[in-house]
Amino acid sequence: AQSVAQPEDQVNVAEGNPLTVKCTYSVSGNPYLFWYVQYPNRGLQFLLKYITGDNLVKGSYGFEAEFNKSQTSFHLKKPSALVSDSALYFCAVREYNQGGKLIFGQGTELSVKP
Amino acid sequence: KAGVTQTPRYLIKTRGQQVTLSCSPISGHRSVSWYQQTPGQGLQFLFEYFSETQRNKGNFPGRFSGRQFSNSRSEMNVSTLELGDSALYLCASSPYWGSSYEQYFGPGTRLTVT
Repeated sequence: AQSVAQPEDQVNVAEGNPLTVKCTYSVSGNPYLFWYVQYPNRGLQFLLKYITGDNLVKGSYGFEAEFNKSQTSFHLKKPSALVSDSALYFCAVREYNQGGKLIFGQGTELSVKP
Repeated sequence: KAGVTQTPRYLIKTRGQQVTLSCSPISGHRSVSWYQQTPGQGLQFLFEYFSETQRNKGNFPGRFSGRQFSNSRSEMNVSTLELGDSALYLCASSPYWGSSYEQYFGPGTRLTVT
């Protein structure tokens, strides 16, 4: 069965420093991987996705993610964190031929301090 | 383009009652998915509709049902409400049914069951 793990409930970063939010996955075939962000009392906003091709994926708001097949990981990164990046981040996986069904990780709370 | 809209935004119901939530997808989007978000279980997939047909279903009891209309708008219904149904219900749309498409989420309906 497909699953996603986000090993850190919370990540604390100083503004201007690089940030990494970790995600590992388990699927039976080739994975389709996604990152979403949720601000308080809001729905989820799409950041980026990996379907195939280049292992480094660039997305919205300066975020990028690196797909590592051997480590089954898809970590979210940003070179320089902003206070406004503070939010709840979700990694999600989808299997081929499962349509839109997303399996989400438990989420990681990112806190960026000035 | 207007985003995904959900109505109502907030709802308070009593145990045993039933409730209907509505979702209007982004114009031109034909696939609609529903998710339940709770602090304990996180984000869980409920079901997905495309061209008025349910294409996928999560592991929820039969009290949870949905439908999609010819204009792609969708409704979900929960009958015989239980306290554990209190959650944020999120609707998401995508252009077509398929694993490579990202989903765009609405702001959610906050359901409280007393």
